[in-house]
Amino acid sequence: GENVEQHPSTLSVQEGDSAVIKCTYSDSASNYFPWYKQELGKRPQLIIDIRSNVGEKKDQRIAVTLNKTAKHFSLHITETQPEDSAVYFCAASKPGNQFYFGTGTSLTVIP
Amino acid sequence: NAGVMQNPRHLVRRRGQEARLRCSPMKGHSHVYWYRQLPEEGLKFMVYLQKENIIDESGMPKERFSAEFPKEGPSILRIQQVVRGDSAAYFCASSSGAGRAYEQYFGPGTRLTVT
Repeated sequence: GENVEQHPSTLSVQEGDSAVIKCTYSDSASNYFPWYKQELGKRPQLIIDIRSNVGEKKDQRIAVTLNKTAKHFSLHITETQPEDSAVYFCAASKPGNQFYFGTGTSLTVIP
Repeated sequence: NAGVMQNPRHLVRRRGQEARLRCSPMKGHSHVYWYRQLPEEGLKFMVYLQKENIIDESGMPKERFSAEFPKEGPSILRIQQVVRGDSAAYFCASSSGAGRAYEQYFGPGTRLTVT
């Protein structure tokens, strides 16, 4: 099965700085990589995703990059704000399959 | 709001009782996934269902846990004879299974506490 590893487990940045979270996966057949943001006591919310036919995708302050050869993908948040503080999960999936989640990164943005 | 609905949001059960968790997918979605999240841990897949079919139950414990998604009504995750280790947040997610089939949208979760 698929194995997704996520680093770091905790990350603190100053407001306005960038944050980068990295994930690796093991199954070369995985072709869909979503990122979820989960605030304390809330549901995971999809914030951005990327498919394996794309190397990079950007949505305002959030971007995701994918390196299929190396089997890793990363989330980049620029100009961080306190409301970006949350736990972020990466996942990998194949069509019609379950999501394999990373263990999460707790991001704290210090005002 | 046609988002994923789950109820109850909080459920307290004594050891040995049964827990029933319900999930109504987003309108137009026919694929449901159940995940379990232990405190300060990630999301672990339990089961994937389509209407009247279990597609993948590889993440379900072999005993005490069952799931269904009937032709009419919500998907139900049933835990029999609950134990303290079952205390967790249980999330369901739904997907359309067509077009942008990969996206899964999560419900608010049911927080189960076993006393």
